[in-house]
Amino acid sequence: QKEVEQDPGPLSVPEGAIVSLNCTYSNSAFQYFMWYRQYSRKGPELLMYTYSSGNKEDGRFTAQVDKSSKYISLFIRDSQPSDSATYLCAMTANAGGTSYGKLTFGQGTILTVHP
Amino acid sequence: EPEVTQTPSHQVTQMGQEVILRCVPISNHLYFYWYRQILGQKVEFLVSFYNNEISEKSEIFDDQFSVERPDGSNFTLKIRSTKLEDSAMYFCASSLLAGDNEQFFGPGTRLTVL
Repeated sequence: QKEVEQDPGPLSVPEGAIVSLNCTYSNSAFQYFMWYRQYSRKGPELLMYTYSSGNKEDGRFTAQVDKSSKYISLFIRDSQPSDSATYLCAMTANAGGTSYGKLTFGQGTILTVHP
Repeated sequence: EPEVTQTPSHQVTQMGQEVILRCVPISNHLYFYWYRQILGQKVEFLVSFYNNEISEKSEIFDDQFSVERPDGSNFTLKIRSTKLEDSAMYFCASSLLAGDNEQFFGPGTRLTVL
């Protein structure tokens, strides 16, 4: 079983739609969860960062973590064509214990928002 | 806004040659990382670096790879004898704290090994 699984898509939605992106993971040591956005041939850009279970909202973006199910989500409200990119989930264990910040990434989901 | 920078943006080299990829992390950050992304594949961790030594490395990071912080600003990745399979995007990242884990990535260096 892969440590982090993410449906690569592609996902195509109309402008204004609510987008739901998800990842599952198998390593129960993961405690920090991130979502990155990556435009073609560019570096990953940090969008959301959460620790442990719960929700976090930032503008049109909401990150959700369910550690009991080993499942994380990113919701994008009122999606825009400029949101078209690859969305990567990433996670890491508690630093200083078994990890010094090593991020484990999902495959990435390709999202297209069409006008 | 502070950002991580990387040079060159694209490096073409012959198999067996040495390459050095350069990064300037965000100035007050203490933890530095290298990742790579082979075309169409996941971003993969290579190495983390703190206090002038390697904190953690992956299986990919074998004896052909080395990292260095030669001065107060640069962070380099050296590949001694490049192989075809080293062709990838190489990303440098930095974070203020390991526990913080908010890693900020540079734009990447595309390495092409011929």
